Amino acid sequence: DGGITQSPKYLFRKEGQNVTLSCEQNLNHDAMYWYRQDPGQGLRLIYYSQIVNDFQKGDIAEGYSVSREKKESFPLTVTSAQKNPTAFYLCASSILAPHRAMNTEAFFGQGTRLTVV
Amino acid sequence: GQQVMQIPQYQHVQEGEDFTTYCNSSTTLSNIQWYKQRPGGHPVFLIQLVKSGEVKKQKRLTFQFGEAKKNSSLHITATQTTDVGTYFCAGPPGGGADGLTFGKGTHLIIQP
Repeated sequence: DGGITQSPKYLFRKEGQNVTLSCEQNLNHDAMYWYRQDPGQGLRLIYYSQIVNDFQKGDIAEGYSVSREKKESFPLTVTSAQKNPTAFYLCASSILAPHRAMNTEAFFGQGTRLTVV
Repeated sequence: GQQVMQIPQYQHVQEGEDFTTYCNSSTTLSNIQWYKQRPGGHPVFLIQLVKSGEVKKQKRLTFQFGEAKKNSSLHITATQTTDVGTYFCAGPPGGGADGLTFGKGTHLIIQP
């Protein structure tokens, strides 16, 4: 059964702690993304990666870090430097678009709801 | 970066009524995508529009891309309770970056 798996579904973090959110895909997609969603808001891009061992900052990368050591995996670490980390985090993947500035269908995981306690 | 504005933010309709959400960009878009997110769920791709003036239909859903490729709309005819959710438009972020820039979404609430 192909798709994107995010874990855990719910995560609680104490202030000052780093936490890592997992994202795995078996769709053989080159591109992977992390988005943050706040209540009543759209999705904002945190980081993206188009190829193994390379990734780029999105619109709100401060306080986050990522790695892309394998094509299938794109974990996101929420560091203590992120001032307001409580949010719904969505991982997505897609095939690479044939042309710059074009997009392809993004497939999303079920999301991880992070709460700082 | 690219900004995509979406209105209305909330829309209450009686079951069976029609629903429309609008998406506007300050710059020309190479393409626009629409996603649906059910309450508590994740966004699911609905459609992509690429051509100026393009109109696509999926059963009761009609999607349009403006002639100037700066706006788009989603129209649902005769809403059903299964249509409940948030509808997002999304376009390229601009500046050669990858990923999608999402509008804030329109929350569709249906009263039986």
